[in-house]
Amino acid sequence: GEDVEQSLFLSVREGDSSVINCTYTDSSSTYLYWYKQEPGAGLQLLTYIFSNMDMKQDQRLTVLLNKKDKHLSLRIADTQTGDSAIYFCAGVKAAGNKLTFGGGTRVLVKP
Amino acid sequence: EPEVTQTPSHQVTQMGQEVILRCVPISNHLYFYWYRQILGQKVEFLVSFYNNEISEKSEIFDDQFSVERPDGSNFTLKIRSTKLEDSAMYFCASRARDRGSSYNSPLHFGNGTRLTVT
Repeated sequence: GEDVEQSLFLSVREGDSSVINCTYTDSSSTYLYWYKQEPGAGLQLLTYIFSNMDMKQDQRLTVLLNKKDKHLSLRIADTQTGDSAIYFCAGVKAAGNKLTFGGGTRVLVKP
Repeated sequence: EPEVTQTPSHQVTQMGQEVILRCVPISNHLYFYWYRQILGQKVEFLVSFYNNEISEKSEIFDDQFSVERPDGSNFTLKIRSTKLEDSAMYFCASRARDRGSSYNSPLHFGNGTRLTVT
């Protein structure tokens, strides 16, 4: 089955860029998602990328996908204190329904 | 923006009791899901539901669990006899119909119900 891995923790200064990395094992994953979880809250969909794309940009968010290395990253430009949260990447196959989540990366933004 | 709503936000129950977790998915969505997150662990898939039946379930989703869509708006998860290890955050999610054969519409999650079994 799919396995999705993320680094546990990232500390970044306000105004800098954050880069959160994710690796996955199943090359048949067709959609890869980034979700944000603030303390006590649910999973907020941030963005997603289809596997035939290399990059997707959405305002301050840039998703990069390297299919050869099965590596996904989320770059947050001009990181703000409100970006402090846990970020999850998740993958899904076209034929299947379920998302497989990584363990989450806790991002701490320091003023 | 429409959202998935879950009630209650926190449920405390005694071991062996039945609990029902409630969800109202986004109104035009067709696919419904339950996931759970044990404290400090990954978000895990439990079950998916489409066209009034379970389409996929995980090993976690044993005979103690059931799901139901009793009317046109609610989607419930029932745990018949709760165990201590059922303590977790339970997330409901829904998604719209896929557009064509290649588009997989994203899952939208609720804020979760924190279940504490004592």
